Amino acid sequence: DQQVKQNSPSLSVQEGRISILNCDYTNSMFDYFLWYKKYPAEGPTFLISISSIKDKNEDGRFTVFLNKSAKHLSLHIVPSQPGDSAVYFCAVNRQGGKLIFGQGTELSVKP
Amino acid sequence: DTAVSQTPKYLVTQMGNDKSIKCEQNLGHDTMYWYKQDSKKFLKIMFSYNNKELIINETVPNRFSPKSPDKAHLNLHINSLELGDSAVYFCASSALMAYEQYFGPGTRLTVT
Repeated sequence: DQQVKQNSPSLSVQEGRISILNCDYTNSMFDYFLWYKKYPAEGPTFLISISSIKDKNEDGRFTVFLNKSAKHLSLHIVPSQPGDSAVYFCAVNRQGGKLIFGQGTELSVKP
Repeated sequence: DTAVSQTPKYLVTQMGNDKSIKCEQNLGHDTMYWYKQDSKKFLKIMFSYNNKELIINETVPNRFSPKSPDKAHLNLHINSLELGDSAVYFCASSALMAYEQYFGPGTRLTVT
């Protein structure tokens, strides 16, 4: 019973275009959502987050959107760059608790 | 000046052995975690310690024993290693009651 799902295992995008990574969750009690980026042989790196009281958070090229009624989270990267090629994990957290991760989406940005 | 560090990065050992993985954070955080990434790439919480006190234990076999000598260190000791223990183990830390967690580089454990 996966509580956090990333249904696309991979995504390929042309440099300069928009990358959209999606994530669905099951529990409406989750109150904080995060995106992590992971390069091979490295640990996940925190990228951006959003509280359940908001529906959008932006940081430079990265924007996270939250649709609570649909229990859906998305990460937009504009413009995409080759250095963005990595595995992206969405995660949910309740205050002071564990992170529950999706299974990841591997993004490939082609020059 | 690595924020969360783990040693060793790679560990190859035989079934039945006992091994330890060490984790240190210099972020001044109060809470530390161990996660396991299995062969299907799922990252799952194993343990969480807050200021040396165990607060999360996620149905992990008791062959796994975390130890926190102080709030900057959280070590993972594994007894009687099994083939299924092969995975990448990540240490993480967070400020008290914070949502964001910061991860170490991982330790790839291979049991033969």
